[in-house]
Amino acid sequence: AQTVTQSQPEMSVQEAETVTLSCTYDTSESDYYLFWYKQPPSRQMILVIRQEAYKQQNATENRFSVNFQKAAKSFSLKISDSQLGDAAMYFCAYSPMEYGNKLVFGAGTILRVKS
Amino acid sequence: DSGVTQTPKHLITATGQRVTLRCSPRSGDLSVYWYQQSLDQGLQFLIQYYNGEERAKGNILERFSAQQFPDLHSELNLSSLELGDSALYFCASSVSGTSGNTRYFGEGSWLTVV
Repeated sequence: AQTVTQSQPEMSVQEAETVTLSCTYDTSESDYYLFWYKQPPSRQMILVIRQEAYKQQNATENRFSVNFQKAAKSFSLKISDSQLGDAAMYFCAYSPMEYGNKLVFGAGTILRVKS
Repeated sequence: DSGVTQTPKHLITATGQRVTLRCSPRSGDLSVYWYQQSLDQGLQFLIQYYNGEERAKGNILERFSAQQFPDLHSELNLSSLELGDSALYFCASSVSGTSGNTRYFGEGSWLTVV
């Protein structure tokens, strides 16, 4: 069974600084998708970034970028120029290629941003 | 605003009761997913529907059932409720059922069982 591990329950970053959230996953598949979702205090799940495993190039969305290491099964999220609005719970998620798939989430990392 | 609408936003009910949670997907999305978020279990996939048909099943209890109607809205029915069913229930939708599609989440329905 596929599993997703986020080893950092909580992280802190100073405003305008950079922070990296870790995620590892376990799968025997060669093709799959990986996602980072943000859950602010409002509780809504918001997609931050998406990565296709068959693409070697790391995905980037404005201040958010990933470091995808397929062999190591690692998918970390880097947030640059952190802002107060980035404070949230961040979930790493894995999606197999099979049709009718199940999105598997990690336990989440709480990110606190200090002003 | 994701475009996914869930009702009710909050619900308090007693053990043994039955409730129905409703989800309207984004316009044009054919696939609907239900997730449960609780403190002890984290975020868990329950079930997926695509264009009215069940497509995938996750950790959904037998006391729970769901369906997707011809207008593509979906309902999650929870019966014989237990204290442990208290959780935030999310609905998400995507254009199709393929794995790479981005799932857009609603704001969730908070269920408290007392």
